[in-house]
Amino acid sequence: AQSVTQPDIHITVSEGASLELRCNYSYGATPYLFWYVQSPGQGLQLLLKYFSGDTLVQGIKGFEAEFKRSQSSFNLRKPSVHWSDAAEYFCAASSNSGYALNFGKGTSLLVTP
Amino acid sequence: NAGVTQTPKFRVLKTGQSMTLLCAQDMNHEYMYWYRQDPGMGLRLIHYSVGEGTTAKGEVPDGYNVSRLKKQNFLLGLESAAPSQTSVYFCASGRTGVNGYTFGSGTRLTVV
Repeated sequence: AQSVTQPDIHITVSEGASLELRCNYSYGATPYLFWYVQSPGQGLQLLLKYFSGDTLVQGIKGFEAEFKRSQSSFNLRKPSVHWSDAAEYFCAASSNSGYALNFGKGTSLLVTP
Repeated sequence: NAGVTQTPKFRVLKTGQSMTLLCAQDMNHEYMYWYRQDPGMGLRLIHYSVGEGTTAKGEVPDGYNVSRLKKQNFLLGLESAAPSQTSVYFCASGRTGVNGYTFGSGTRLTVV
């Protein structure tokens, strides 16, 4: 079955430190891949997406993600985290013939001073 | 440009009551979705629509019905609410089924 896995439920980083959130997918063919962020009490906002081509994708708010086919991964990174980055992060995927996104269960990011 | 608007934002229902959640989008998107979000479960697809007049079941459709009579609106109905339907409901829309979505801000529903 097609699935998206985010191995880390919670992550805590210090402000200014680097961040990497993990995402693995299980699809027959390379899916379309997405990262969303959800601030408390808000809806989800698209950070970035990967369809094909360059495996390093740049997004909004200084985030980037790297697609690694050999590891079936699409990890989200940020060089220096700000307190405002504290939120829930969701990885999502869809096959190229799909009708909807399949979401991971999310990773909650806490940023400490 | 309002994007995706969900009403109401909060609601408390008694078991057995019915209600309708409204989602409206002003981006002329063909695809619309209803997800529910529960702690530790991520977002699960309830129903979706690929165009006006069409609807289809998602991952967790039981206990819900939907209608898409107008392209800009997607309604989610609960005919007889149950405590298991306590959740945060998100509507989303997209130009295609595989591009990024625009999400509404959610409806927090509590069934007592």
